[in-house]
Amino acid sequence: DTAVSQTPKYLVTQMGNDKSIKCEQNLGHDTMYWYKQDSKKFLKIMFSYNNKELIINETVPNRFSPKSPDKAHLNLHINSLELGDSAVYFCASSRSGWGDTEAFFGQGTRLTVV
Amino acid sequence: QKEVEQNSGPLSVPEGAIASLNCTYSDRGSQSFFWYRQYSGKSPELIMFIYSNGDKEDGRFTAQLNKASQYVSLLIRDSQPSDSATYLCAVNRGNYQLIWGAGTKLIIKP
Repeated sequence: DTAVSQTPKYLVTQMGNDKSIKCEQNLGHDTMYWYKQDSKKFLKIMFSYNNKELIINETVPNRFSPKSPDKAHLNLHINSLELGDSAVYFCASSRSGWGDTEAFFGQGTRLTVV
Repeated sequence: QKEVEQNSGPLSVPEGAIASLNCTYSDRGSQSFFWYRQYSGKSPELIMFIYSNGDKEDGRFTAQLNKASQYVSLLIRDSQPSDSATYLCAVNRGNYQLIWGAGTKLIIKP
């Protein structure tokens, strides 16, 4: 069984569109994250939720809106997509929200905005 | 200065040799340190973590932490072609998040 699963794996869309990426974890973890990895492989945290509560909200355009309906799910909605949003987006989860335990990653969503 | 710095590489090491990967961090209050491996097109996966000064060994991997000098390293003994990947260093400052380095690309040549 996949521990952290995100869908879709690939997403190609036009500028200006709105899209969502879904993430689910079956590990029973309290904390979930969204990361963006750019072409230079740099992983940058976007959001973190602990037990459905937002605990990290980095400087991310407000076109990006996370939603956590329960602690096993963290979805990412992106409005008015721009070319610069093209990247790989990773969902992750961890047992602890302090960042001091292993993070388990989903397989990533490669977003291409054309 | 970046909070977590790694040499981007690529670092080329012959098969069977020791690969040495280094990472420096800027925040002296950092508490825990992680090494992740990421194969091309895949997601990061944890190799080792270390909290205390000194060495920590796990199979062919050894993590070394020196808080006074603010560096953490990863040694891979008996390097195999399957070790070829990007290695990401991540540092926790105890404030809910990990700070990631940009990664070092390691190539093991048969």
